[in-house]
Amino acid sequence: AQTVTQSQPEMSVQEAETVTLSCTYDTSENNYYLFWYKQPPSRQMILVIRQEAYKQQNATENRFSVNFQKAAKSFSLKISDSQLGDTAMYFCAFMGNTDKLIFGTGTRLQVFP
Amino acid sequence: EAGVVQSPRYKIIEKKQPVAFWCNPISGHNTLYWYRQNLGQGPELLIRYENEEAVDDSQLPKDRFSAERLKGVDSTLKIQPAELGDSAVYLCASSAVNTGELFFGEGSRLTVL
Repeated sequence: AQTVTQSQPEMSVQEAETVTLSCTYDTSENNYYLFWYKQPPSRQMILVIRQEAYKQQNATENRFSVNFQKAAKSFSLKISDSQLGDTAMYFCAFMGNTDKLIFGTGTRLQVFP
Repeated sequence: EAGVVQSPRYKIIEKKQPVAFWCNPISGHNTLYWYRQNLGQGPELLIRYENEEAVDDSQLPKDRFSAERLKGVDSTLKIQPAELGDSAVYLCASSAVNTGELFFGEGSRLTVL
């Protein structure tokens, strides 16, 4: 069975600094998707960034980028130039050939002024 | 374009009472998901629909939970009777076919007293 592990329950960063959130996963599949979702206090889950496993190039969306290491089954999220609005829960998620999105337990990120 | 709409946003009931949650997905999205999110945890899948067919309901507690998606559009999730442990946020999400990206509603927070 696939599993997603986020080992950092909480992280904090000062505004304008860079922070990296860790995620590891376990699967025997070769083709799959990986995601980072953001959940602000209002609770609506928002997609931050997505990575297809067959792509070697790391995905980037403005200030958000990932470090995808397929052999190590690692998928970390880097947030550059952190902003107060980045304060939220961040969930790493995996989707394989079952189309079932499996979430990690989340990392609570606090951005301080 | 309207997002995923859920109602009610909040519901407080006493144990053994019934409760129902409603979800209207994004227009044109064939796949609909119901997730349960306990406090401080990642969402866990309850049921997934492809059009009107429930293709994955392995995590749905069928003794008290039921769901339907008549006509393959909006969906209802029901709990009867509710137990204290059912207190959680119930999230609905939808996706277009084969995109791997889910769009979430704001969720329905259930408190069972």
